[in-house]
Amino acid sequence: ETGVTQTPRHLVMGMTNKKSLKCEQHLGHNAMYWYKQSAKKPLELMFVYNFKEQTENNSVPSRFSPECPNSSHLFLHLHTLQPEDSALYLCASSQERTSGYNEQFFGPGTRLTVL
Amino acid sequence: AQTVTQSQPEMSVQEAETVTLSCTYDTSESNYYLFWYKQPPSRQMILVIRQEAYKQQNATENRFSVNFQKAAKSFSLKISDSQLGDTAMYFCAFNSPGETGANNLFFGTGTRLTVIP
Repeated sequence: ETGVTQTPRHLVMGMTNKKSLKCEQHLGHNAMYWYKQSAKKPLELMFVYNFKEQTENNSVPSRFSPECPNSSHLFLHLHTLQPEDSALYLCASSQERTSGYNEQFFGPGTRLTVL
Repeated sequence: AQTVTQSQPEMSVQEAETVTLSCTYDTSESNYYLFWYKQPPSRQMILVIRQEAYKQQNATENRFSVNFQKAAKSFSLKISDSQLGDTAMYFCAFNSPGETGANNLFFGTGTRLTVIP
């Protein structure tokens, strides 16, 4: 596997279910991100982890719970979601930046549908 | 907060022709970076081109080039000799080292480009 991978690619769940999205990066990066992509809206940054520590939480509802056990893996645990949470969830990684630009590498995304 | 605006939700271009996608942004920072990302129907977002604000020279990557107008806060993408594989969503993005959350990218809403055979 190369780059950033995400599983599953598609997920359909009921509002009372609990599921998890997985992201893995094979690029040796130390920063990882979760984004939500909804139609006709800018990508919304949800969470940022640098060196396994959460450094950003953009007012995301508690029904989304991230986990970063190491710098290569990132999870998004989902529970009691709402239909408006249906979207494409993208994971990205980059080097933790001390200077210069931040190029983020994206995974293919998980298409989530909440019934 | 930074804002990135892409005013063209959809565009189309004939194969082999040239097309320009628009992007404007708002910031009070003097040092920042701008990016164009491409998201094909397969959904994997990839970086097309980047521009550093302190560089006056416009970035170029093969058929892709930008017109960076710092005073106007404008950052357009020109695709020359369009190919069918250029069909995708294109997102303009902004990143500033001076902002809190310095790793964060701010994205526009995207432009859906269709290349017509």
